[in-house]
Amino acid sequence: NAGVTQTPKFQVLKTGQSMTLQCAQDMNHEYMSWYRQDPGMGLRLIHYSVGAGITDQGEVPNGYNVSRSTTEDFPLRLLSAAPSQTSVYFCASSPIGQGNTGELFFGEGSRLTVL
Amino acid sequence: GENVEQHPSTLSVQEGDSAVIKCTYSDSASNYFPWYKQELGKRPQLIIDIRSNVGEKKDQRIAVTLNKTAKHFSLHITETQPEDSAVYFCAARILFGNEKLTFGTGTRLTIIP
Repeated sequence: NAGVTQTPKFQVLKTGQSMTLQCAQDMNHEYMSWYRQDPGMGLRLIHYSVGAGITDQGEVPNGYNVSRSTTEDFPLRLLSAAPSQTSVYFCASSPIGQGNTGELFFGEGSRLTVL
Repeated sequence: GENVEQHPSTLSVQEGDSAVIKCTYSDSASNYFPWYKQELGKRPQLIIDIRSNVGEKKDQRIAVTLNKTAKHFSLHITETQPEDSAVYFCAARILFGNEKLTFGTGTRLTIIP
């Protein structure tokens, strides 16, 4: 049971490049989400999903796309990277409905630098 | 949407003393309030949580209180130890609703030996 796995752990991009941050969980969690963490600003929600085929925007969705074709995977796409997207990104998941204690399970994080 | 405010942003406490971090939330539909601890370079980890039908919860040296009427909740750490030094985040979530979890901006707690 690997929990929540994020790849890559580190990435350097040039402005305008595209990339995908991968997130996979093996706990059969319906809820998955992406946060970005910047100094002094806490963890801000980018996008979230309550199940396959369902996604919704969080606080800071601009510049990011997501899709949820399976329960296990929730990739985050940057179509045209900007220096303002330099951050640490966390993927987190949880069950929903009965059996949901409320706790989010986090991946180890992905540090992205955009030059 | 939900807005969670957290104070103070930094807190220094003498070892053995108590530390208190306070949060307010805006959405009365929020019904779950966790606290996460994040050590440098690590992922956030849940340390304690409380649901809206409970006013207080304690786990050894850590306690959380919730005032639903005033929409605020607090983390209390007693007998602080050097290993308590970290960044602490409060959060609010609507369970059995949109499930979104919104974090506060964090408090950097430093325990002075």
